[in-house]
Amino acid sequence: GQSLEQPSEVTAVEGAIVQINCTYQTSGFYGLSWYQQHDGGAPTFLSYNALDGLEETGRFSSFLSRSDSYGYLLLQELQMKDSASYFCAVLIYNQGGKLIFGQGTELSVKP
Amino acid sequence: DGGITQSPKYLFRKEGQNVTLSCEQNLNHDAMYWYRQDPGQGLRLIYYSQIVNDFQKGDIAEGYSVSREKKESFPLTVTSAQKNPTAFYLCASSPSGLAGGRSYEQYFGPGTRLTVT
Repeated sequence: GQSLEQPSEVTAVEGAIVQINCTYQTSGFYGLSWYQQHDGGAPTFLSYNALDGLEETGRFSSFLSRSDSYGYLLLQELQMKDSASYFCAVLIYNQGGKLIFGQGTELSVKP
Repeated sequence: DGGITQSPKYLFRKEGQNVTLSCEQNLNHDAMYWYRQDPGQGLRLIYYSQIVNDFQKGDIAEGYSVSREKKESFPLTVTSAQKNPTAFYLCASSPSGLAGGRSYEQYFGPGTRLTVT
């Protein structure tokens, strides 16, 4: 089976840097995605790592290490609007384009 | 504007009634998905469809049914057999339903919050 683990909550201050970790157990997957969801809203796609290493998209970066079964999302220059839930998701083999989501990390940005 | 629409935003039903949730997309995406989200939880896949007239069960398909007669539409029926139907239901689409395509990037609708009493 597949499972992903994320911290349930993270708190940081405006302007700081925060890292949200995701560890996974899966028999095989194509890559790791990250999604953001504001309270009551629709999830939006942030990034995807097909290969090991760092992918940078503006203030957000995402990292994957297959050997460590680990990834993270890095948010820099935090803004109040970054307060949201963040989900990691693996795109798994043998069942088409199927994403398995983690439970989500609720990020609170304080002034 | 391209996007995904779900209606209604809020839906209330009595126990024992079937209810159908609408999902329409005009992004010309091949693949569509239905997820369920419970408070403080991640998204769990109910059904997905990689192409018109074909769909597969996700991880929690029991008590649900779908159809994919048109590329743009993927309605979900919550049947009376679903033991705990009250939840937030999210529909999504992606350019390709194949794992080698862009199914890692899914576009979500605004969701339907279903309450069954």
